[in-house]
Amino acid sequence: RKEVEQDPGPFNVPEGATVAFNCTYSNSASQSFFWYRQDCRKEPKLLMSVYSSGNEDGRFTAQLNRASQYISLLIRDSKLSDSATYLCVVRNTGGFKTIFGAGTRLFVKA
Amino acid sequence: EPEVTQTPSHQVTQMGQEVILRCVPISNHLYFYWYRQILGQKVEFLVSFYNNEISEKSEIFDDQFSVERPDGSNFTLKIRSTKLEDSAMYFCATSGGGGELFFGEGSRLTVL
Repeated sequence: RKEVEQDPGPFNVPEGATVAFNCTYSNSASQSFFWYRQDCRKEPKLLMSVYSSGNEDGRFTAQLNRASQYISLLIRDSKLSDSATYLCVVRNTGGFKTIFGAGTRLFVKA
Repeated sequence: EPEVTQTPSHQVTQMGQEVILRCVPISNHLYFYWYRQILGQKVEFLVSFYNNEISEKSEIFDDQFSVERPDGSNFTLKIRSTKLEDSAMYFCATSGGGGELFFGEGSRLTVL
């Protein structure tokens, strides 16, 4: 089983749509969780951390379910500029190793 | 806004040659990382570095790879004898300890 698994994508959605990405992780001792965004041929950039209680940042909402080892990202009112690859990222307890999922590609079309 | 700086942005080398990639971390960050991304593939963890030593490394980070922070500012990745399959984008990332990683723009390595 892969350490971090994501929806394969790509997701093709119209502007204004709501889209949800899912991610599962295999290490139950994982400590910290993040969503990153990566534009084509660019570096990953932190989108948001994911907290146990769930958190929201504008149009973006992240949820964590530790029992199911599952993380989600919801994007509301999609914009053309949201087109990118979204990376689920997990940091393991007691260490420094931060693992990236393979990413889910999102295309938002006018 | 503070940023991570990487040099060179692109390096072309012959197979078997040594390559050194350099990174200047965000000034108050203490945790340093190298990641690799082969074109079209996922971002792969190579190594983490803290308190002047390797804290964790992946299976990819074999004997041909090394890291150091020789002058207290630059954080370097050395590949001793490059292979064709080392062609990739190499990202340096740093963290202040909260777990969030801040990436440089990457160094693209092409091995011929």
